[in-house]
Amino acid sequence: QSVLTQPPSSSGTPGQRVTISCSGSSSNIGINTVNWYQQFPGTAPKLLIYYNNQRPSGVPDRFSGSKSGTSASLAISGLQSEDEADYYCAAWDDSLNGGVFGGGTKLTVL
Amino acid sequence: QVQLVESGGGVVQPGRSLRLSCAASGFTFSSYGMHWVRQAPGKGLEWVAIISYDGSNKDYIDSVKGRFTISRDNSQNTLYLQMNSLRAEDTAIYYCAKDQKEHILSSHGIDDWGQGTLVTVSS
Repeated sequence: QSVLTQPPSSSGTPGQRVTISCSGSSSNIGINTVNWYQQFPGTAPKLLIYYNNQRPSGVPDRFSGSKSGTSASLAISGLQSEDEADYYCAAWDDSLNGGVFGGGTKLTVL
Repeated sequence: QVQLVESGGGVVQPGRSLRLSCAASGFTFSSYGMHWVRQAPGKGLEWVAIISYDGSNKDYIDSVKGRFTISRDNSQNTLYLQMNSLRAEDTAIYYCAKDQKEHILSSHGIDDWGQGTLVTVSS
């Protein structure tokens, strides 16, 4: 199982707001920043959120990130059909001296 | 714009070796740490290895320590992953990825990814 814990699936209807959680520990999220990635089938991951809550240029402001203690969240507001994808959280782990990912959350737009 | 192009994947028998390459362009390669991340078929992302911008620091996930070696040639803007004693569980798409912070020995996270190269370990 993954070092960071995400729900395996989430769903919402168009226009709705959904959140995806990511739970870690004091050696990763607790002391390092969190990134979020979006991945469509058959393609490489794409950076969605960096440094917990920063959006790269080109990422819609419907996507937002937050962090509190050893947990982080990705929120998607005004859900659209094209948001249907897999979402991963990631952080550096100082105890493992390596990167760690969540298991991924498959988002379905109903 | 950043471009990362992996090559070297293929089908290999268990116990054999393979070397992956990643050609980088669009940024100052020698200023950034680089990663390899893999994804087994139908599974999630798994971080594999990191090398610092100057090659002085390297770290690996436990399952590949002693078998895989990450290296870089800053004069050729190329990242490598030498994979020895391959196992069936190493079967995955291997992504080359760039760290988002320059001139650090650790990592601040990944910002850019290559398209990946598929490694299949099977007899």
